[in-house]
Parts: sequence; structure tokens; C-alpha cells
Amino acid sequence: KNQVEQSPQSLIILEGKNCTLQCNYTVSPFSNLRWYKQDTGRGPVSLTIMTFSENTKSNGRYTATLDADTKQSSLHITASQLSDSASYICVVRGFNTGGFKTIFGAGTRLFVKA
Amino acid sequence: EAGVVQSPRYKIIEKKQPVAFWCNPISGHNTLYWYRQNLGQGPELLIRYENEEAVDDSQLPKDRFSAERLKGVDSTLKIQPAELGDSAVYLCASSLANGQGLPPLHFGNGTRLTVT
Repeated sequence: KNQVEQSPQSLIILEGKNCTLQCNYTVSPFSNLRWYKQDTGRGPVSLTIMTFSENTKSNGRYTATLDADTKQSSLHITASQLSDSASYICVVRGFNTGGFKTIFGAGTRLFVKA
Repeated sequence: EAGVVQSPRYKIIEKKQPVAFWCNPISGHNTLYWYRQNLGQGPELLIRYENEEAVDDSQLPKDRFSAERLKGVDSTLKIQPAELGDSAVYLCASSLANGQGLPPLHFGNGTRLTVT
């Protein structure tokens, strides 16, 4: 079982609508959690970072939340645009012997339709 | 700043042939990663370099995969011989080293390998 689970696997919404993507993790000890956006044929690009003490962080129309107690994070996209069509990957970093480990979720594939 | 540059963008080879990928990280980034990404999946780490030293290659299939990072800057990843199951996107990423793992990974656009 992957230490970072994302849902839904894919999502189709109409332009202008809102949506929320979920990420559950078991990585421990926890350092931080990032959401990345990956456009088709491109590498992932960081959207937000959440550390242990942060609950909410916004980046334009993207708002990430973190509940470190339940080990859950969400990414909320407001007023979706066609350009939001991409994969959204949750990446959790934790500590291990000698440094840290980085665990990627499988991503949520978002399709925004006109 | 210039981003992470990878080449080639696409590569099609027959099985049992060798193939090599090249990566130029962001200037000043001492940590370099090679990831493999299968369709519909997140990236999986193959190898991580701190400067010129490979500090995590536990997921690298060493019977056929090799990597090097000369002078702690550019890096190449090689597969010899390639198998059908190696078809994937190979992503290179770089970052500044930080004991907390806080800096983001900066990814290149990847090399899409197709083995026929």
C-alpha cells in the first residue's frame, strides 16, 4: 500500500466550477507536503508547501489544507479554467535515517470542460 | 533562471538496444534526481545525487541501469540493454540541499522512452 493515497483518480468538471482533491498519507515522521501540477508532456511544478504547523495556504485560485492529526490534505481549485486540466500530485516528505524520504502519490487527473 | 534541461525529449528504440538520457540541472542546485514515471502514476525515484555522490540508488536496477554525474553538474542515465518494460517517461529534477527537505523539486520536461 502506497504511503500517499490520492482521490479521486480522475475528475471531470465544467469550466468555472470548483473542485477538491484529496490526499491521505501515512508517511512518518512528517516534514512537509507539497502539491504539484503536471501538465501533459511536462514535468511537475510545485503549487504549495504545507509544513506541520500550517492548516491552510493559498496560491491564487488554489487553496491547500492540511490536517496533520488525521494525516489528510486537500487541494481546492476555485473557478476552474481550461488551463487547470492537468494531473495534481501530492508529495509528502518525511524523515528517515540519514536524511529524508520523498513519497509521491499517483496523482488526480483533472479534466476541465468548456 | 533557466530550468532543468533534458534531452532528448523522445526516444524510440528496439529492445536489447542501449539508450542514454542527459540532464542539465539548475545552476547552483547540488541535489539531482532521476525519476521514472509510468502512465497514470507518480514519479518513482531511481537515484539521488548530492553533488557528485550517489546517496540513494537503492531503487536503481543496477543490472541494466547506470548513472553518473560528472563534476557534480550534468548527469546521464543509461539503460543497457533496454527491455519492453522500460517504456516510461524519465524525469530529471534538481533542488538545493536542505536538511528539512523543504526546497521544491524543479523538474525537467522528461524523456519519453518507447521500447519496441
